[in-house]
Amino acid sequence: ETGVTQTPRHLVMGMTNKKSLKCEQHLGHNAMYWYKQSAKKPLELMFVYSLEERVENNSVPSRFSPECPNSSHLFLHLHTLQPEDSALYLCASSRTQGWPDTQYFGPGTRLTVL
Amino acid sequence: DQQVKQNSPSLSVQEGRISILNCDYTNSMFDYFLWYKKYPAEGPTFLISISSIKDKNEDGRFTVFLNKSAKHLSLHIVPSQPGDSAVYFCAATTSGTYKYIFGTGTRLKVLA
Repeated sequence: ETGVTQTPRHLVMGMTNKKSLKCEQHLGHNAMYWYKQSAKKPLELMFVYSLEERVENNSVPSRFSPECPNSSHLFLHLHTLQPEDSALYLCASSRTQGWPDTQYFGPGTRLTVL
Repeated sequence: DQQVKQNSPSLSVQEGRISILNCDYTNSMFDYFLWYKKYPAEGPTFLISISSIKDKNEDGRFTVFLNKSAKHLSLHIVPSQPGDSAVYFCAATTSGTYKYIFGTGTRLKVLA
């Protein structure tokens, strides 16, 4: 399998649930990103990991908790979310963090919080 | 404050004609710009990019133009094909950072 994959593709959860989103990149990249895309809004950067180290937390609430166990995998752990957190969550990866480098995106997870 | 703006939410073009998608930015520190295409139920796909040291970059049917003085970039698709129907996002970033700032997208519809 090539590129950036995300699972699940769709997720419906209640406000008290705990769930995790998974991202895997097969491109040999060493930087990975989580973005949120809400309706009618631009993509918003949430977290950046470079060489498994978090280098950016873009004022994201603590109910979102990222984890990067290695350079190929990225998780987003979700806990006590709010309905306004319903959105498309996109994972991306790039060869290197820093110098403008093209980010490649996964297909996204469509999250609905009831 | 939106630093990257795509003021046209949608655009319709006849097959074979030119599609021109526009993007404006406000931050003069941006020095690298990208266009992504997004089909429904898929993630954004990288299309073409341009560095601020250039004013034009071509890749097949796609050409990006950068006007730094006007803080404006545009994507030209010639000739347009029905398969080009998608949402197009422009993004901007600054050397030494990992932050892309995206526009809200323009939905292109190419009519057969």
